[in-house]
Amino acid sequence: GENVEQHPSTLSVQEGDSAVIKCTYSDSASNYFPWYKQELGKGPQLIIDIRSNVGEKKDQRIAVTLNKTAKHFSLHITETQPEDSAVYFCAARRGGSYIPTFGRGTSLIVHP
Amino acid sequence: EAQVTQNPRYLITVTGKKLTVTCSQNMNHEYMSWYRQDPGLGLRQIYYSMNVEVTDKGDVPEGYKVSRKEKRNFPLILESPSPNQTSLYFCASRSTGSQETQYFGPGTRLLVL
Repeated sequence: GENVEQHPSTLSVQEGDSAVIKCTYSDSASNYFPWYKQELGKGPQLIIDIRSNVGEKKDQRIAVTLNKTAKHFSLHITETQPEDSAVYFCAARRGGSYIPTFGRGTSLIVHP
Repeated sequence: EAQVTQNPRYLITVTGKKLTVTCSQNMNHEYMSWYRQDPGLGLRQIYYSMNVEVTDKGDVPEGYKVSRKEKRNFPLILESPSPNQTSLYFCASRSTGSQETQYFGPGTRLLVL
């Protein structure tokens, strides 16, 4: 089955810095890669996603890049703010499947 | 407002006592699913449903049941809970198609003694 590795497990940055979280996947048939933000005490929130026919997608301060050859994808957050502090999860899902595989999460701490 | 609701939010029970966690969505989504979240393991899908009366197993279905009699509701049933089902549970619904939108409920924290 699919295996998704996520790094780092913890990331600490100063407000205004950029943050990058990386995920690798094992199943070359995976074609959908969402990212979620989970604030303390809340459910995950889908923040951005990318499909395998696209190399990069951007939404304001967040962007996701995908390298199909290397089977890795990354979340980029620019100009970080304290409210970006949360746990971020990546996931991968193969075409035709209803079951995503999640990474183990990255705790992002943005210091004011 | 798009919303997924779950009840109860917190539950303490004892081994073997049947329980149901309710889930409801107001977005007319066909697809709904249940996840459990455990420290260090991320989210794992328990069951999913593609539409009314259509359900299938996720990665960790053992010890759980679901039903989908109405589009908006997708209850999770633990017929005989055991301590290893102590976890944080999330219900989710999503749209299908090229542009997916997905919403998670606020979570149900379950402790089985």
